[in-house]
Amino acid sequence: DAGVIQSPRHEVTEMGQEVTLRCKPISGHDYLFWYRQTMMRGLELLIYFNNNVPIDDSGMPEDRFSAKMPNASFSTLKIQPSEPRDSAVYFCASRETGRMNTEAFFGQGTRLTVV
Amino acid sequence: QKEVEQNSGPLSVPEGAIASLNCTYSDRGSQSFFWYRQYSGKSPELIMFIYSNGDKEDGRFTAQLNKASQYVSLLIRDSQPSDSATYLCAVKRDDKIIFGKGTRLHILP
Repeated sequence: DAGVIQSPRHEVTEMGQEVTLRCKPISGHDYLFWYRQTMMRGLELLIYFNNNVPIDDSGMPEDRFSAKMPNASFSTLKIQPSEPRDSAVYFCASRETGRMNTEAFFGQGTRLTVV
Repeated sequence: QKEVEQNSGPLSVPEGAIASLNCTYSDRGSQSFFWYRQYSGKSPELIMFIYSNGDKEDGRFTAQLNKASQYVSLLIRDSQPSDSATYLCAVKRDDKIIFGKGTRLHILP
């Protein structure tokens, strides 16, 4: 398996523009997580899905952020409008259910810069 | 109080010595505990997991869990320069995996 695949790897956009980040989880994994990482706040959980259904979006910072998972192999995180404080590395991770020790596997991340 | 707390470091350890990384968590309902390593500019990767009280060893790495004290640690024996990275402690509570901010470890050649 190719692992969790994220695109784009890097995104530079102007303030006010819409940004869409994409993620393909590992086949067979039924959980998908979106995290944001900054120096100040570390790795924050934004939202997670189980079987394509959003379970907890309490980490989404504000209404400008939205996430969807239309099918088991694809998810998007959208920021509209983007602001400079949204600059961070966004990670997608997936895992399978069933065991206590089931780890989350991470994608390579999208480094977002909003200027 | 943050759910998972770690000292941010940097922690400097001479090559060949033992590096000791610590983590505390606030929710007693936490079920499993993970240590991830993250090199600069890369994504986190799992080193070890533990879910029972006591020690768990894997090569040069030993994870320790004390649920009564809500404390998790990672020992790295015979530290190598390639161990220089940020180490993230994570806890699984219900379906979520929550991370600490990480401890930067620097192995001195």
